[in-house]
Amino acid sequence: DAGVIQSPRHEVTEMGQEVTLRCKPISGHDYLFWYRQTMMRGLELLIYFNNNVPIDDSGMPEDRFSAKMPNASFSTLKIQPSEPRDSAVYFCASSLRIQGAGNTIYFGEGSWLTVV
Amino acid sequence: LAKTTQPISMDSYEGQEVNITCSHNNIATNDYITWYQQFPSQGPRFIIQGYKTKVTNEVASLFIPADRKSSTLSLPRVSLSDTAVYYCLAPSVGYSTLTFGKGTMLLVSP
Repeated sequence: DAGVIQSPRHEVTEMGQEVTLRCKPISGHDYLFWYRQTMMRGLELLIYFNNNVPIDDSGMPEDRFSAKMPNASFSTLKIQPSEPRDSAVYFCASSLRIQGAGNTIYFGEGSWLTVV
Repeated sequence: LAKTTQPISMDSYEGQEVNITCSHNNIATNDYITWYQQFPSQGPRFIIQGYKTKVTNEVASLFIPADRKSSTLSLPRVSLSDTAVYYCLAPSVGYSTLTFGKGTMLLVSP
């Protein structure tokens, strides 16, 4: 398997623009996670899906952020409008399960977002 | 809100054994403890997982006492390439999500 695939790898955008990050999870994984990482706040869980259904979005910072998972092989994280404080690395990850043995989370390589 | 606690940073030299301890007082009864490693510019990756006692793989060992309120990741004979951030994950009672803490920044020097 190719692992979790994210795009774009790097994006620089101007404040106020819409940003869309894309993710393809590992085939067969029932869970998909979106994380954000910054120096100040570390690795934060933004939202996660189970079988394409959003389960917990309490980590989404505000209404400017939205995430969708239209099918088992694709998810998007959208920021509209973007602000400089959204600059971070956004990781998509997937797993077979979240409890018990084998609940390993597999991460993508991340999308490096810079908002100027 | 239960969480894991681990040292912010550790220093070591090549060839030494490194032990990183994580406290997880409220770990869920049936859940596993998992450790991840993160290099700069990469996402975290799985190192080892265990439920109790000792687990060993080709990379590390994991020691978990009977009360399961802590765990220790042991890296034998570290090299410069082991410089990374190490995260301990232990799902808490009442929580189904997996939250990463700040991790432990391990710096290995020559």
